[in-house]
Amino acid sequence: GESVGLHLPTLSVQEGDNSIINCAYSNSASDYFIWYKQESGKGPQFIIDIRSNMDKRQGQRVTVLLNKTVKHLSLQIAATQPGDSAVYFCAETYTGGFKTIFGAGTRLFVKA
Amino acid sequence: NAGVMQNPRHLVRRRGQEARLRCSPMKGHSHVYWYRQLPEEGLKFMVYLQKENIIDESGMPKERFSAEFPKEGPSILRIQQVVRGDSAAYFCASSRSVGQELGYEQYFGPGTRLTVT
Repeated sequence: GESVGLHLPTLSVQEGDNSIINCAYSNSASDYFIWYKQESGKGPQFIIDIRSNMDKRQGQRVTVLLNKTVKHLSLQIAATQPGDSAVYFCAETYTGGFKTIFGAGTRLFVKA
Repeated sequence: NAGVMQNPRHLVRRRGQEARLRCSPMKGHSHVYWYRQLPEEGLKFMVYLQKENIIDESGMPKERFSAEFPKEGPSILRIQQVVRGDSAAYFCASSRSVGQELGYEQYFGPGTRLTVT
């Protein structure tokens, strides 16, 4: 069944610290993973993606790590800022598939 | 380039009425997806459409819910005879392609918040 879950439902970090948000997925056939950020009252916003032929991808202040052996995905945010406060979702899909499965989300609080 | 547009942003319906939610994809996008989100939960896939075709509706309830994406005009998610349990945020997303060469990045609209009283 659908099962993309997160280990921590909430995460509170101090401004300037690094944040790590984790995600477990269950479908071994999934080969494309995305992290989304959702602010209150808004739609999800694409942050970064990674394909299954990679284990790490970096963006601006964000890094996604993929461990296919244990079906684990993580999002690292460097120097977390108050504007990073939001709910973060991981999502998975697979080549030729149309359905994107979203995890339950992690709420990130950034303390000033 | 305008993003994904959804309207209305807020919709209040009484039990038994019909709700019609509209989604205009980004320019150049021919793939539309509808998701439902309950408070404090993730997004649940409902349906995926291309122009004039429903490709995957495995997440759509069998009764009362329907979706279309006509040749001209926005995609419509229609909920007939709404019940309180239909209250949720409904998000539309669009993408250019599902081909691996272009990725699967979906761009989301701001959502329609449906309240059934």
